[in-house]
Amino acid sequence: EVQVVESGGDLVKPGRSLRLSCTTSGFMLGDYAMSWFRQAPGKGLEWVGFMRSKPSGGTTEYAASVKGRFTISRDDSKSIAYLHMNSLKIEDTAVYYCSVRLRYFFDYWGQGTLVTVSS
Amino acid sequence: DIVMTQTPLSLSVTPGQPASISCKSSQSLLHSDGKTYLYWYLQKLGQPPQLLIYEVTNRFPGVPDRFSGSGSGTDFTLKISRVEAEDVGVYYCMQSIQLPLTFGGGTKVEIK
Repeated sequence: EVQVVESGGDLVKPGRSLRLSCTTSGFMLGDYAMSWFRQAPGKGLEWVGFMRSKPSGGTTEYAASVKGRFTISRDDSKSIAYLHMNSLKIEDTAVYYCSVRLRYFFDYWGQGTLVTVSS
Repeated sequence: DIVMTQTPLSLSVTPGQPASISCKSSQSLLHSDGKTYLYWYLQKLGQPPQLLIYEVTNRFPGVPDRFSGSGSGTDFTLKISRVEAEDVGVYYCMQSIQLPLTFGGGTKVEIK
């Protein structure tokens, strides 16, 4: 059974760092592209960034709003993907979702983890 | 960036009646490979988005056949032939032909 579970969300002060984890099971994470999305309270969905599958080079792409501050990495041996977030801003407050492109598109999502950036 | 514009913002539907949501993109979503990279998601309250439709017309496995997608180029439509209570939530269209991936603003569907 495919499972995607985010963790690591927390209340942090502006300028601090945080690492989110996306723990997966039921498939080989490295064989698939994965992406992070976010949703600010009461707002719509926003793409944060993604990592291509290992066969496709495992390269990453980011939204302009997070480029240079956020980094996606992956530990295939543990089937965990990470979102490293530096220099956090108040506007980064959101529920962060991890999603995997298993079959047709980003079709398997976790339940999300809440990041609150506040002084 | 490709701007995705959804209408209406909200929809109140009597159970058993049809519903239709429009999504327009600022650029064509037709790729040179012949595919059109337009998707529909439904986000129910307190839940992550769930993929309904991929590449304009294809239902994700398990999605009821009352959901259908249509359109081409820059104009797309999601139709629910007979709305059921479980269909309430916010519907989003999304494009992946160009980075950044972008979503429409969402259409909230509620039951009358």
